[in-house]
Amino acid sequence: AQKITQTQPGMFVQEKEAVTLDCTYDTSDPSYGLFWYKQPSSGEMIFLIYQGSYDQQNATEGRYSLNFQKARKSANLVISASQLGDSAMYFCAMREDDSGGGADGLTFGKGTHLIIQP
Amino acid sequence: DGGITQSPKYLFRKEGQNVTLSCEQNLNHDAMYWYRQDPGQGLRLIYYSQIVNDFQKGDIAEGYSVSREKKESFPLTVTSAQKNPTAFYLCASSPQGYEQYFGPGTRLTVT
Repeated sequence: AQKITQTQPGMFVQEKEAVTLDCTYDTSDPSYGLFWYKQPSSGEMIFLIYQGSYDQQNATEGRYSLNFQKARKSANLVISASQLGDSAMYFCAMREDDSGGGADGLTFGKGTHLIIQP
Repeated sequence: DGGITQSPKYLFRKEGQNVTLSCEQNLNHDAMYWYRQDPGQGLRLIYYSQIVNDFQKGDIAEGYSVSREKKESFPLTVTSAQKNPTAFYLCASSPQGYEQYFGPGTRLTVT
């Protein structure tokens, strides 16, 4: 079974609209971390936002927020006021056993290709 | 400037040859990682290292080898045993417990 599922292969959104990118995860570990990365056409992975499994509040970083619904195992990324430069691939990722150092590798979803239209 | 460098950006090899991909970081991070990305797919973990002289296999380690002799360096060798080596390879590093920072990647083509 896939540990990270992103159900939207591609999305078209009008500039300045808000965008929600879906991510569901599967783990039995009580301590885990959830990440979102952006990958422009250049290929480099850019870290956007992190949510720990024990965090009580949803994470926010500028125009990015993470809608964390633990019971539903959902960690959707919300981009407010989208811009043309937001066009890219977006990946959701999870690190299990997030306690005790948290240096294990990440498990990635297959990504969502977001295109912002003027 | 602090960061992660991977060289070269594009690499071409003949089938049957081993090839080593370079990854260097000057961020003083303890942990380093290698991922592989195939077209239309997410990243998959090949190997990672939490400290010098120690490393662990990831999900797809077969056909690959690594070394971690220095904190700054984590080279990846793609051996002739790797059946489908053509891919985009990304190196990352992190201070333990935090997010991973990625290098620009190396596109390897084996014909």
